[in-house]
Amino acid sequence: AQRVTQPEKLLSVFKGAPVELKCNYSYSGSPELFWYVQYSRQRLQLLLRHISRESIKGFTADLNKGETSFHLKKPFAQEEDSAMYYCALTASGGSYIPTFGRGTSLIVHP
Amino acid sequence: DGGITQSPKYLFRKEGQNVTLSCEQNLNHDAMYWYRQDPGQGLRLIYYSQIVNDFQKGDIAEGYSVSREKKESFPLTVTSAQKNPTAFYLCASSISRDRPGELFFGEGSRLTVL
Repeated sequence: AQRVTQPEKLLSVFKGAPVELKCNYSYSGSPELFWYVQYSRQRLQLLLRHISRESIKGFTADLNKGETSFHLKKPFAQEEDSAMYYCALTASGGSYIPTFGRGTSLIVHP
Repeated sequence: DGGITQSPKYLFRKEGQNVTLSCEQNLNHDAMYWYRQDPGQGLRLIYYSQIVNDFQKGDIAEGYSVSREKKESFPLTVTSAQKNPTAFYLCASSISRDRPGELFFGEGSRLTVL
């Protein structure tokens, strides 16, 4: 079975501080990992996926298969980053239905 | 505008009543999904459909029913058998199983049972 764990329900930082939202997964095969974001009063949307290896809005995430992690990082947080972030996993070659973590609420204070 | 439209945004229901949430997409996506979003519990899959006239139960299907008679439509019925129906419901779609994980979401429907 595949599982996604986001250990922090809430992460509170000040503007300009580094941010790391943690995501750990459990899956025996080769996973595909994603980060979704939900800003206030907006729909849930894809932020980035590990196979793209891209930086979106200053955020990056590296898949670490040894530690089974896919942490989301940003060196300098902005107030507009305040949102709900969800990590998700699909099983490559198996069920492609995404499994979501419980989400982390990021609050960036001015 | 292309996208996913959910209606209604807010819905109130008396105990014992069934209610149907609408989800329409004009993205020409094959797959559609219903998730339930509760604080602290993330998104939990209720039902999904990979193709017209076919659908599968997700992790929390009890008390819910769906249909997929048209590619663009995937309505969810919350029945009186659902013990705790008050929640935020999200509909999503994806191009096909060849593009796993990249979901497009609607704005959601908030159901409150009085």
